[in-house]
Amino acid sequence: QVQLVQSGAEVKKPGASVKVSCTASGYTFINYDITWVRQAAGQGLEWVGWMNPNSGNTGYAQKFKGRVILTRDTSISTAYMELRSLTSEDTAIYYCSRTGPGRRIVPLPVEYWGQGTQVSVSS
Amino acid sequence: QSVLTQPPSVSAAPGQRVTISCSGSNSNIGNNDVSWYHQLPGTAPKLLIYDDNKRPSGVPDRFSGSKSGTSATLAITGLQAADEATFYCAAWDASLSAVMFGGGTKLTV
Repeated sequence: QVQLVQSGAEVKKPGASVKVSCTASGYTFINYDITWVRQAAGQGLEWVGWMNPNSGNTGYAQKFKGRVILTRDTSISTAYMELRSLTSEDTAIYYCSRTGPGRRIVPLPVEYWGQGTQVSVSS
Repeated sequence: QSVLTQPPSVSAAPGQRVTISCSGSNSNIGNNDVSWYHQLPGTAPKLLIYDDNKRPSGVPDRFSGSKSGTSATLAITGLQAADEATFYCAAWDASLSAVMFGGGTKLTV
C-alpha cells in the first residue's frame, strides 16, 4: 500500500532553517508528483509547492518563493522540503502528499498524505 | 483570504442532506478540475472527490460533487454524526500556477 512517512517534529529559532523529509513506499516514486501543504493551528490548508520526482522540476507558491527548496533523492524514494529564514508564522504542521489517482498534468488531486511534521519556531 | 471561497460552517440534522459551496474564478474552478478533502481534528486530510465528481474507492456514494461555471458544490446525503469534519475544496489556478485551497467549511451534524 502507498505510504508517505515524514520525519519527526522540529523546534527551531527564528532565522533558522528546517528540512523535512518524506519517504515514499508502495509505488514507483518517480511516477507521481509530490506536493507540500502546511496547516497552522486552527487554520486551513496552505499550498507550499510541488515537485516532479522524475525531472526534479518544481513549482512554489508565490509567498514561499526564494525561501523554500524542494528536492529529492530517487535512490531512497525520499522528498525533502527545506524552509529558510523561519519566523513564528511558519509554525505549522507540514504535510507531504502524492498526486493521483493516475498520472496528472497539475499537482492535483492529492490522493495520499503523509502523517504531517510539526515545525515550531520560537525564540 | 482564500482565492476559493467556502462558507465557514454548515450544519444539518442526522439523515438530512447538506451542501457546501466553493466559489472561484475562470482561472481556477472555471477551467480546472475541483477536488474535495475532509479532515478530522488531529489527522491528515483525505481525498473525498476528484475531477469535479469522481469518488475514490471506499468513499460512500452519499458524497457527491458537481460544478457549474466558476462554482463547485459538495453534497452529502444521509448525514451521520461521523461526517462531522472540516471540508476543503481545491483547484489548480492557471494564472498563478499554484494550487488553491478553499478556506474550509466545518460541518456540524
